[in-house]
Amino acid sequence: DVKVTQSSRYLVKRTGEKVFLECVQDMDHENMFWYRQDPGLGLRLIYFSYDVKMKEKGDIPEGYSVSREKKERFSLILESASTNQTSMYLCASRTAGGGNTEAFFGQGTRLTVV
Amino acid sequence: DAKTTQPTSMDCAEGRAANLPCNHSTISGNEYVYWYRQIHSQGPQYIIHGLKNNETNEMASLIITEDRKSSTLILPHATLRDTAVYYCIVRVGAGGTSYGKLTFGQGTILTVHP
Repeated sequence: DVKVTQSSRYLVKRTGEKVFLECVQDMDHENMFWYRQDPGLGLRLIYFSYDVKMKEKGDIPEGYSVSREKKERFSLILESASTNQTSMYLCASRTAGGGNTEAFFGQGTRLTVV
Repeated sequence: DAKTTQPTSMDCAEGRAANLPCNHSTISGNEYVYWYRQIHSQGPQYIIHGLKNNETNEMASLIITEDRKSSTLILPHATLRDTAVYYCIVRVGAGGTSYGKLTFGQGTILTVHP
């Protein structure tokens, strides 16, 4: 079974903390993505990566950074967590090859910043 | 990527077919129609995709109109476990600078009743 695994299902952090959300995929996919999901706003793309050490900003990158040191792992970093970053965070991966392959999602990390 | 329009919510009786419409009137010739669903508190799950021909798999059927400006996802025998938010997404295939990123709308909340 193909798998995208996010390190935590639930996380509670304090305002100002540096937060790391980890995502690992076992499908040798080139492309990986981080989304956040909020009620009424749907899923919004934060950052994506198309290769090791390569990254591109998504629609809402402010307050976030990412790291892709290995192909299978894509980390989302909240440099200084704030309460407005309380959200569900979803990681996805997809192969770069082929014309029309699907993306696979992790189960999500529900982050609460207090 | 082309925008999509879906009804906010739909109901369906268990055992009946669920037909979920999607309008994508600005779709380009190289853009695919994808369907994902998200069951409460889980990550989105791929269902099916197509370019211009109708498609069927073990989960659903996808009917795309001849002008490709709309499509319908059909769950032939809906069960209670099919209750979820269904997203219709239009995007280009691999290549270019999109790297396969998915832009999610609000989706359709499908509720299957006993």
